[in-house]
Amino acid sequence: NAGVTQTPKFQVLKTGQSMTLQCAQDMNHEYMSWYRQDPGMGLRLIHYSVGAGITDQGEVPNGYNVSRSTTEDFPLRLLSAAPSQTSVYFCATHRAYGYTFGSGTRLTVV
Amino acid sequence: AQKVTQAQTEISVVEKEDVTLDCVYETRDTTYYLFWYKQPPSGELVFLIRRNSFDEQNEISGRYSWNFQKSTSSFNFTITASQVVDSAVYFCALSEAWETSGSRLTFGEGTQLTVNP
Repeated sequence: NAGVTQTPKFQVLKTGQSMTLQCAQDMNHEYMSWYRQDPGMGLRLIHYSVGAGITDQGEVPNGYNVSRSTTEDFPLRLLSAAPSQTSVYFCATHRAYGYTFGSGTRLTVV
Repeated sequence: AQKVTQAQTEISVVEKEDVTLDCVYETRDTTYYLFWYKQPPSGELVFLIRRNSFDEQNEISGRYSWNFQKSTSSFNFTITASQVVDSAVYFCALSEAWETSGSRLTFGEGTQLTVNP
């Protein structure tokens, strides 16, 4: 039982490049979300989904796109990476207020 | 809107000292959940405790204890007889009811605890 799997673990991008951070879960949870972690700011919600086909913005959605075509997957897309998006990204699922986090993706934009 | 404040950015103690990490929260909901997570240097988030707003009983788990006081909107975390392995960043978090905010988690800024030998 893998829980929540994030790939890749590390990534370096050049400004303007695009990429997709993958998040997959095998817990059959409806709710999935993406957070970014920056020093001194805790984790902030980027986007979340309450089920397949349903997504909504969180606290810091600008520069990111999401879609949810299946219960299992919730990819996060950066269309044109900027240095301000250098961060650690966490994907999470939850059911009944029990949250499970992935191991994180450390992204550096140069 | 929900908010969590961890005023202590960094704490440094000597091994075997007791240490308390403060957490103050804001919410307009009567139903909510409070959490503590540990983030060791390896980077993963480790769940420590969840508390719902209707349960104000303090909890003890080994060297860890939590003090939940609705009157002061606080959910403080105490480590007794700290050890070097307790060195980590600790996050307090709040989740309002699903109907209010889709039960999103709001995190505090985190407290970096360093336990020196």
